[in-house]
Amino acid sequence: DAGITQSPRHKVTETGTPVTLRCHQTENHRYMYWYRQDPGHGLRLIHYSYGVKDTDKGEVSDGYSVSRSKTEDFLLTLESATSSQTSVYFCAISVGQGSEAFFGQGTRLTVV
Amino acid sequence: SQQGEEDPQALSIQEGENATMNCSYKTSINNLQWYRQNSGRGLVHLILIRSNEREKHSGRLRVTLDTSKKSSSLLITASRAADTASYFCATDGGGAQKLVFGQGTRLTINP
Repeated sequence: DAGITQSPRHKVTETGTPVTLRCHQTENHRYMYWYRQDPGHGLRLIHYSYGVKDTDKGEVSDGYSVSRSKTEDFLLTLESATSSQTSVYFCAISVGQGSEAFFGQGTRLTVV
Repeated sequence: SQQGEEDPQALSIQEGENATMNCSYKTSINNLQWYRQNSGRGLVHLILIRSNEREKHSGRLRVTLDTSKKSSSLLITASRAADTASYFCATDGGGAQKLVFGQGTRLTINP
């Protein structure tokens, strides 16, 4: 899968707890994205990064924060998890703006 | 709201038939991409068409783009059972540094 690793792959957490998902790439691609996928909504962009320490919000960023201190790692943090954040989270990378994106295998997060 | 919207949301056809999916978007774009997702997996890139292109082919795939109507179509010819998947269009929002997907079309190929 194009050198992208998401961790953990599955997680169950309680409402109100902080959660961090990690996306690690070995491709040295500049762009990294976090999406969530829910039935009936397709993929919705949460946050994206266009370089180290350069990040911006997507369409569903409320309740999420990100950090990118190294080219290879893009972290997604749920500061205080809610049941509405139960979803499958995908990380993607691309070499340039509007270029082909490569996806990780996804993280299934359940907030109980 | 999402940039790309696919139509239909679900499509079921017999093996060997052609499948056509449509995508509409809202803002100007530099390019449009199509992806496939098999159940439970990450998305896989199929084809990219630039805003100055009207049609592009890749194997059994044919993509058209009409920038005046802000729409694109994906045609899969001679469908196979292995084509069963969800298909998504994605746009770059015309210079924005993000990649925005639509809701997808679920394609089922019946043997």
